[in-house]
Amino acid sequence: DTGVSQDPRHKITKRGQNVTFRCDPISEHNRLYWYRQTLGQGPEFLTYFQNEAQLEKSRLLSDRFSAERPKGSFSTLEIQRTEQGDSAMYLCASSKGVASGNTIYFGEGSWLTVV
Amino acid sequence: SQQGEEDPQALSIQEGENATMNCSYKTSINNLQWYRQNSGRGLVHLILIRSNEREKHSGRLRVTLDTSKKSSSLLITASRAADTASYFCATAGLATSGTYKYIFGTGTRLKVLA
Repeated sequence: DTGVSQDPRHKITKRGQNVTFRCDPISEHNRLYWYRQTLGQGPEFLTYFQNEAQLEKSRLLSDRFSAERPKGSFSTLEIQRTEQGDSAMYLCASSKGVASGNTIYFGEGSWLTVV
Repeated sequence: SQQGEEDPQALSIQEGENATMNCSYKTSINNLQWYRQNSGRGLVHLILIRSNEREKHSGRLRVTLDTSKKSSSLLITASRAADTASYFCATAGLATSGTYKYIFGTGTRLKVLA
């Protein structure tokens, strides 16, 4: 396994701009998760996919946030009209299978700074 | 919102000592996992314990689970400076979709002094 890959690792953007993060999960992992983490806090659940289906979205995910996973492989998380409060690390994770009890593997995260 | 809450929030110990961290959660779970995170990095899986298990070991790690108290503990024995990191518990609870999703606690920041 090559691990979960996230791109870009760091992004600085001006308020009001759109940003997109990409996540490539471990191959054959059909579950993919997005979390957001701010300094000193634990990861907060945003959304997850099983194959290409988005199964649940957190209330944290405002209308400015959209996530996709076309063809059930890589995923993108787009934030439109960024605000300073969006500054955080966005973590992607993947796991195998639909049953719980499967380890979820995290990428190194994408840091977003909105100035 | 966070499902779990780790205690203590921060812990500072000398190298060679044992470190114990606790996690409490709110709803029924299928399993609980512990993760480690070095500053500014992603999370690394340490150990998974299922709801029908009470204790699990992995190297210097020992995890216990008490479902009646909705709590778990992580013990790191003979700590090393390299164990300095934040530790999180994650619980697998049934999501509205009928499948499981993982919710993380607030973390314990462990500092091991050489």
